[in-house]
Amino acid sequence: DAGVTQSPTHLIKTRGQQVTLRCSPKSGHDTVSWYQQALGQGPQFIFQYYEEEERQRGNFPDRFSGHQFPNYSSELNVNALLLGDSALYLCASSQGQAGSPLHFGNGTRLTVT
Amino acid sequence: GIQVEQSPPDLILQEGANSTLRCNFSDSVNNLQWFHQNPWGQLINLFYIPSGTKQNGRLSATTVATERYSLLYISSSQTTDSGVYFCAAPGGFKTIFGAGTRLFVKA
Repeated sequence: DAGVTQSPTHLIKTRGQQVTLRCSPKSGHDTVSWYQQALGQGPQFIFQYYEEEERQRGNFPDRFSGHQFPNYSSELNVNALLLGDSALYLCASSQGQAGSPLHFGNGTRLTVT
Repeated sequence: GIQVEQSPPDLILQEGANSTLRCNFSDSVNNLQWFHQNPWGQLINLFYIPSGTKQNGRLSATTVATERYSLLYISSSQTTDSGVYFCAAPGGFKTIFGAGTRLFVKA
């Protein structure tokens, strides 16, 4: 039973570029949440996707967008990258009910130079 | 929204020692999770514990929902227990993380 998988594991981009991160949820899960974790801090909620719609969003600018596909996998897109976007990006999957336990992938470490 | 606070922020233990990590949350919750983040960044589920007590090997957790806190106990600590421990609680459909407790276990 595969857990949550994320790709790529590491990524280096230049300021102003665009990036796409990918996530496949754990089997049996239909909900995907994305988190940003800066060095030395706790994960910060970006948004959650359920039934291919963004269901809730955290305090992140519109440069951060996402998508969920019919197979429940998801993408996170970040446009016009800033140095401050350098972080570990974590994907978590869960079942659809609020408060369902989260299961995390290993993350994508993004470095913006 | 819900606030999650963890203490202590940092903890250094000698191998074999016991410790208690605390998580306070500002509102009633129907879910409380504890995670361990290892030095490679992997977030590992430890407990899903909205109330009561659970044990898994040397780790146990207790959540007292009516008093809005949860405790994580680590007994006979090992160097592999080092890392950051997070508690997290739901606020609507999002889950809010505390700032974490950074644990270092010395051999």
